Amino acid sequence: AQSVTQPDIHITVSEGASLELRCNYSYGATPYLFWYVQSPGQGLQLLLKYFSGDTLVQGIKGFEAEFKRSQSSFNLRKPSVHWSDAAEYFCAVGPLMDSNYQLIWGAGTKLIIKP
Amino acid sequence: GAGVSQSPRYKVAKRGQDVALRCDPISGHVSLFWYQQALGQGPEFLTYFQNEAQLDKSGLPSDRFFAERPEGSVSTLKIQRTQQEDSAVYLCASSSQGGDQPQHFGDGTRLSIL
Repeated sequence: AQSVTQPDIHITVSEGASLELRCNYSYGATPYLFWYVQSPGQGLQLLLKYFSGDTLVQGIKGFEAEFKRSQSSFNLRKPSVHWSDAAEYFCAVGPLMDSNYQLIWGAGTKLIIKP
Repeated sequence: GAGVSQSPRYKVAKRGQDVALRCDPISGHVSLFWYQQALGQGPEFLTYFQNEAQLDKSGLPSDRFFAERPEGSVSTLKIQRTQQEDSAVYLCASSSQGGDQPQHFGDGTRLSIL
């Protein structure tokens, strides 16, 4: 069955420290991969996406993610976090089927920034 | 504005009342999705439209939930005879056609059933 796992419910890092958020997926083919961020009371904003080509993708706000086919992973990284990065981060894969562009979503990782 | 607009932002209703949630997608976006998001959870798919056609409604939790997009633009999610378990944030997203097109989300409607 297709699924997305974000193993960490919460992660706490100090401001200025590096960050890695994990995402593992189970999917029958090479998926499209997405990372979204959600601030409290807001909708989800796309950080970056991977479809094909270079497995290291750059996104907005200084984030990057690396697709590793052998590990079925698409981890999100940032070299130095800022207090404004505190939010919930969601990994998604898709499409579920050719005729339906539905995504499969992870449960999210809440990022807490220590001053 | 250029983004997805949802209204109302907050809705409080008594158990048993009917509610209607509106989504105004990005102009020209063919695909429209409705999601339900419980506190501390990721979005759960409800239904998907391609233009005015509702191609998938497999995520609607019961026959009390109904969605429409009659002219292929604005969509309405209606919940009849609301129950407490319907309390959640309802997110709408739109995208251009194609599985590689990212979904653009509105800020959601927070529904509280008393």
